[in-house]
Amino acid sequence: EPEVTQTPSHQVTQMGQEVILRCVPISNHLYFYWYRQILGQKVEFLVSFYNNEISEKSEIFDDQFSVERPDGSNFTLKIRSTKLEDSAMYFCASSEDSSYGYTFGSGTRLTVV
Amino acid sequence: GESVGLHLPTLSVQEGDNSIINCAYSNSASDYFIWYKQESGKGPQFIIDIRSNMDKRQGQRVTVLLNKTVKHLSLQIAATQPGDSAVYFCAEISNDMRFGAGTRLTVKP
Repeated sequence: EPEVTQTPSHQVTQMGQEVILRCVPISNHLYFYWYRQILGQKVEFLVSFYNNEISEKSEIFDDQFSVERPDGSNFTLKIRSTKLEDSAMYFCASSEDSSYGYTFGSGTRLTVV
Repeated sequence: GESVGLHLPTLSVQEGDNSIINCAYSNSASDYFIWYKQESGKGPQFIIDIRSNMDKRQGQRVTVLLNKTVKHLSLQIAATQPGDSAVYFCAEISNDMRFGAGTRLTVKP
């Protein structure tokens, strides 16, 4: 069964550093998403991406965050100047169509120290 | 057993019993709803979906009910098994997908 692949599975970074979280969506999917889950809390929408541009973003997704599809297979989330409160699981998801269910990756656990 | 969704985030049932997990959604314009299961340390896993033109949909051991009048969604799991223990999230889709707070289901052997 096709999977969404995320790397790394765990990233530890110092406060103030920049991190790039990587995702390989399912190959025939056209819609890509990033979600965040702070430990013990619900999954929060960050951003959706279609046709090489952001289609929706939440209030969480401020200027500290950016997304990019640098080539035909990767979808990245960059977090600049990380803060302690950025520590969370970050999930990438993709879908064939915006009106169908999304497939999630296993997540990257980001720990900011 | 039955949960009242966001106000009761845990549900404990006996193996073999039926489970009902409830969810209230917020956007009356949402036209597609999904239940996800999340096991510890893993990403959300699709269970079942329903479109707003339906009020019931059945899968294998799972049934989703949609009441648009009161913006309520429920997930029924028949003959609950220990492997069903997880956090269950409802999600609503309009312009994007938003998750509810989740309910932790614990199945006692």
